[in-house]
Amino acid sequence: AQSVTQLDSQVPVFEEAPVELRCNYSSSVSVYLFWYVQYPNQGLQLLLKYLSGSTLVESINGFEAEFNKSQTSFHLRKPSVHISDTAEYFCAVSDRDGGTSYGKLTFGQGTILTVHP
Amino acid sequence: SAVISQKPSRDICQRGTSLTIQCQVDSQVTMMFWYRQQPGQSLTLIATANQGSEATYESGFVIDKFPISRPNLTFSTLTVSNMSPEDSSIYLCSAGGVYEQYFGPGTRLTVT
Repeated sequence: AQSVTQLDSQVPVFEEAPVELRCNYSSSVSVYLFWYVQYPNQGLQLLLKYLSGSTLVESINGFEAEFNKSQTSFHLRKPSVHISDTAEYFCAVSDRDGGTSYGKLTFGQGTILTVHP
Repeated sequence: SAVISQKPSRDICQRGTSLTIQCQVDSQVTMMFWYRQQPGQSLTLIATANQGSEATYESGFVIDKFPISRPNLTFSTLTVSNMSPEDSSIYLCSAGGVYEQYFGPGTRLTVT
C-alpha cells in the first residue's frame, strides 16, 4: 500500500518570495512521483514528474522538485512566486513495478498556495 | 498529450436518482480511471475502466453503486446510482499511461 502526506494544507506567501511545498510518501515498492496543479475552477494539470535519472526535475514555469529516496520526499520549490501561481498543488505517486496497481495514482491531501501582492 | 472532456460539467440531483457521467478522450488510450474528490479532500481512485472487460474497483467502492462502462479505447461512463447527499463530490476521469496521466475538467455533483 502507498500513502502520500503533504505537510501543509495552506501556504500563504507574498509575491516574489520563495516557496516550498512539502511532500513525503510511504511505499513498499519503488514509485514514480508527480506534482499536479489545480487552478481555481479548472481541472488537474501535470506540473512535473520524476521517473528516473536526475533527482532534480523542473517545470516550464519555474518550479522544481527533488526526489530524496532516503527521506522518501519530493518537495516542490520555486525561488520567486507570482500571483498566477495561486492554486492547489497535489503530490502523487504510482507503483513503478506494475501488477494490479499499474498506473493508479495515490494523491496527497493537497496544499493551497496563495500568493499575495 | 491527450485532451479529455466530461459531460455534464455539473448537475444538481435529488436523492435516490442516478446520474451518468461521460468521459471522452481525443485519442485511443489503454488505461482510463475514475476518481472522486469530496469537498475539501484529495482525490480518491474509484476504479480502473478496462476496455472489453469489467472495471476493477478499489476498496470501498462497488459496482452496484458505481457501474462503469468502457465500450472502446476513447470513451467511458461512470454512473452514480441511488444517490445520497454523501455522493456530492467532483468526479474526474483520467487517461494515459504509467508515465503520465491526463485529467478531465471534472463533473461537480450536488445531491439534495
